[in-house]
Amino acid sequence: AQSVTQLGSHVSVSEGALVLLRCNYSSSVPPYLFWYVQYPNQGLQLLLKYTTGATLVKGINGFEAEFKKSETSFHLTKPSAHMSDAAEYFCAVSKTNNDMRFGAGTRLTVKP
Amino acid sequence: GAVVSQHPSRVICKSGTSVKIECRSLDFQATTMFWYRQFPKKSLMLMATSNEGSKATYEQGVEKDKFLINHASLTLSTLTVTSAHPEDSSFYICSARDPGGGPNQPQHFGDGTRLSIL
Repeated sequence: AQSVTQLGSHVSVSEGALVLLRCNYSSSVPPYLFWYVQYPNQGLQLLLKYTTGATLVKGINGFEAEFKKSETSFHLTKPSAHMSDAAEYFCAVSKTNNDMRFGAGTRLTVKP
Repeated sequence: GAVVSQHPSRVICKSGTSVKIECRSLDFQATTMFWYRQFPKKSLMLMATSNEGSKATYEQGVEKDKFLINHASLTLSTLTVTSAHPEDSSFYICSARDPGGGPNQPQHFGDGTRLSIL
């Protein structure tokens, strides 16, 4: 069974600094990978996804993620953090129609 | 894009009350919807998969009689927390995949329901 590990439950960056949120997956075959963002008391919003093709995926709000099969990673990055990026971020993996599994989440704090 | 609407957004009620939460796909038909529970500062825990016209599939450890799921149409799934107690207080979120969606399609989430049992 696939699983997802997000390293770091809390990441704090200064406004304008690089954002790096880590995600590693465990799977016998490359899965489909997703990043979601959750603002307080709201559902999850899709940031980006990797299915096939180009390994560098661009998403909304300036985020992007790179699928690295050799490292079984799908880290999320953004060159310059904004205050509005402060939220909870979830990495998720999917291999079957009904089996999407989420990582534990990383809370991003952006300092002025 | 695909939109999922969840209602109500917040419920506060007394212990012993049954609470129904609705999840609607507004602009697409969803044969499968998912119900999650999220504890404070924790990830989403899949409770059950709701299948239109058939019984829901529950995850291990989730009480079927406590969390009743009905998926009577292609656009509506409901979760009823029966005889709710304070330990059932949580954030409940539903989702649905894109139409004809396989595993390479994202799930679209409702805004969640904050359930507080006094």
